[in-house]
Amino acid sequence: DSGVTQTPKHLITATGQRVTLRCSPRSGDLSVYWYQQSLDQGLQFLIQYYNGEERAKGNILERFSAQQFPDLHSELNLSSLELGDSALYFCASSLRDRVDEQYFGPGTRLTVT
Amino acid sequence: LAKTTQPISMDSYEGQEVNITCSHNNIATNDYITWYQQFPSQGPRFIIQGYKTKVTNEVASLFIPADRKSSTLSLPRVSLSDTAVYYCLVGDAKAAGNKLTFGGGTRVLVKP
Repeated sequence: DSGVTQTPKHLITATGQRVTLRCSPRSGDLSVYWYQQSLDQGLQFLIQYYNGEERAKGNILERFSAQQFPDLHSELNLSSLELGDSALYFCASSLRDRVDEQYFGPGTRLTVT
Repeated sequence: LAKTTQPISMDSYEGQEVNITCSHNNIATNDYITWYQQFPSQGPRFIIQGYKTKVTNEVASLFIPADRKSSTLSLPRVSLSDTAVYYCLVGDAKAAGNKLTFGGGTRVLVKP
């Protein structure tokens, strides 16, 4: 158990809809990272927050947005969903604003039908 | 970001040592080499990180030659539970606001 929690575990929704994925980092960790992993693909870095502020951006679509709240939990919002957005979404956390050791959550499996 | 190349898959047997080599020819001065393990439908798990020479922890060793253009993850005496995908990442892990790029990984299958 990494100490990172993600909800929900599974999500099934239709194209065009909007969903919110939630992540709670390990106790004491200030950084949160979001990754997308499509079927048989590697992990694609989406975005990082550190202590409430956006720190690094990867290949995140304009339809996707994220934020980190004062209690350090983070939410990833996916809108105007397309079939290709079906994937596992992982959240990771680290103590500092460095990626030297990230702790990953169990992921949210999103299925868009 | 430094590009990494690793074998797509490797087979091994229980009790053997598994060595996975990662090539990173354009590694930068500030880059560290980090390895993660991922089981199906689970988040990756940090294994080991190094900058040069050799690093060892309770689960693996990481060998990095002087030119740092490659690195080798060594898993001693593997068991069936070590069957997983192993990712080699290269990046400035100590800098703020950076990100690490996960490549395709190496799928290791441990057979009885």
